[in-house]
Amino acid sequence: AQKITQTQPGMFVQEKEAVTLDCTYDTSDQSYGLFWYKQPSSGEMIFLIYQGSYDEQNATEGRYSLNFQKARKSTNLVISASQLGDSAMYFCAMRESRFEAGSYQLTFGKGTKLSVIP
Amino acid sequence: DGGITQSPKYLFRKEGQNVTLSCEQNLNHDAMYWYRQDPGQGLRLIYYSQIVNDFQKGDIAEGYSVSREKKESFPLTVTSAQKNPTAFYLCASSDDSGFAYEQYFGPGTRLTVT
Repeated sequence: AQKITQTQPGMFVQEKEAVTLDCTYDTSDQSYGLFWYKQPSSGEMIFLIYQGSYDEQNATEGRYSLNFQKARKSTNLVISASQLGDSAMYFCAMRESRFEAGSYQLTFGKGTKLSVIP
Repeated sequence: DGGITQSPKYLFRKEGQNVTLSCEQNLNHDAMYWYRQDPGQGLRLIYYSQIVNDFQKGDIAEGYSVSREKKESFPLTVTSAQKNPTAFYLCASSDDSGFAYEQYFGPGTRLTVT
C-alpha cells in the first residue's frame, strides 16, 4: 500500500487565487513528520513547510499553510495568492519515527503539477 | 554558504559503462541519501548513509553502489548492471536525530544513457 497518496496529477489556478493540494498518508506510528517540497522545472527540491504529528496548530509559512486533519490522515497544502512562480511540481512526504533499518527515511508521494494561469 | 553540490548537472554515457555521480555537502550532516526520479514520478530511495564508512540499501539499490569515506562526500556509481539508468538523480542530507528534520537537496544530475 502506498504510504503517501497525492490524487491530483495536475491542478490549475488563476493568479492571485488560493489553491489546495491534497495529500493523504498511511502510518501506524504515533510520531511522524509531514513535509511539502516544491520542485520547479530546474529540478531542485525546495522545502516549503513541515507539520509534526503532535502539533496542535496547523503549520503556516508565509503564503503556505497546511490543513492537517490527523484523524483523516491528511495534510493538504494551501497556497494563498498564487503567483506565476508557484508553477511547479509539489511533493508531499512523510518521515516516520520508527527506526526501520536505522534511519528516519523520507517517503514521497508522486506529486501534483501546479500551473498558475495569468 | 552551506549546501549540497552535485556534479555534473548533465551526464551522458554509453550503455555498458559505469558512471559516478558526485555529491558533496558542507552542512555537517551525518546522514546522506541518494534518490532517483523518473518522469512524472516521485523520488525513490537508492542508498543512504548515516555515518562514515556505513551505508544501507534503499528501495531500488540494484545496479548501484556507493561509498562514504568522508562525512562531506557520498558518491553514487551507476553500474552497467542497472537496466534502466536514464533518470534524474538527487542527493540529500539531513540531521537524523529525529523525524522532525527536513532533508536538504542538491540541484540534481540528469543522466542519459544511450
